[in-house]
Amino acid sequence: QSALTQPASVSGSPGQSITISCTGSNSDIGGYDYVSWYQQYPGKAPKVMIYDVSNRPSGVSNRFSGSKSGNTASLTISGLQAEDEADYYCSSYSSTNTRVFGGGTKLTVL
Amino acid sequence: QVQLVESGGSLVKPGGSLRLSCAASGFTFSDYYMTWIRQAPGKGLEWVSYISGRAATPYYADSVKGRFTISRDNSKKLMFLQMDSLRADDTAVYYCARGGNWPTYHFDYWGQGTLVTVSS
Repeated sequence: QSALTQPASVSGSPGQSITISCTGSNSDIGGYDYVSWYQQYPGKAPKVMIYDVSNRPSGVSNRFSGSKSGNTASLTISGLQAEDEADYYCSSYSSTNTRVFGGGTKLTVL
Repeated sequence: QVQLVESGGSLVKPGGSLRLSCAASGFTFSDYYMTWIRQAPGKGLEWVSYISGRAATPYYADSVKGRFTISRDNSKKLMFLQMDSLRADDTAVYYCARGGNWPTYHFDYWGQGTLVTVSS
């Protein structure tokens, strides 16, 4: 049950696009299309932004998109806005029928 | 609307026990896996455990296996986490969340969290 690998921080200016990567293994990201992404503000519960690699829940802005290639999943936020500044976590289903999270990425909007 | 409310968090001494509860409403509780996820102060999210809708199968993270027990009461729409042999590194906000396995592999609804502090 090793954690997925995410960059500790990313930053971008308003209007720009950023991508957060999430790297796992054949036993999790590479083996299943059950990658999800969560946004968390300080002191608040996480909120799902992307599920099953690239699906967006109702109410989530279409500026958020997800993809996967091999053992790496990615979250892209386009048209960056100040309100996007938060922590982002990826998660994947694992072959041991358990779940694993990434270490989290702090997004700073410059 | 879907609502999840955790309770039971408190200050407990190392080696002690605590039982967390998660009260669910607004959906057919028995149709979903339910999950416990924790977050240590200033740290990231950690999956702890989940249990199938019919309570047939629990799964645990290696870090809590043998010490924590997940259960649910579908008639009362409640999920529980019995935590024994608590250690300082169990200190965290514990969230309950809906989903984690079929039919909903992601965690689509979360509670507000309950704080567990393990300290002498």
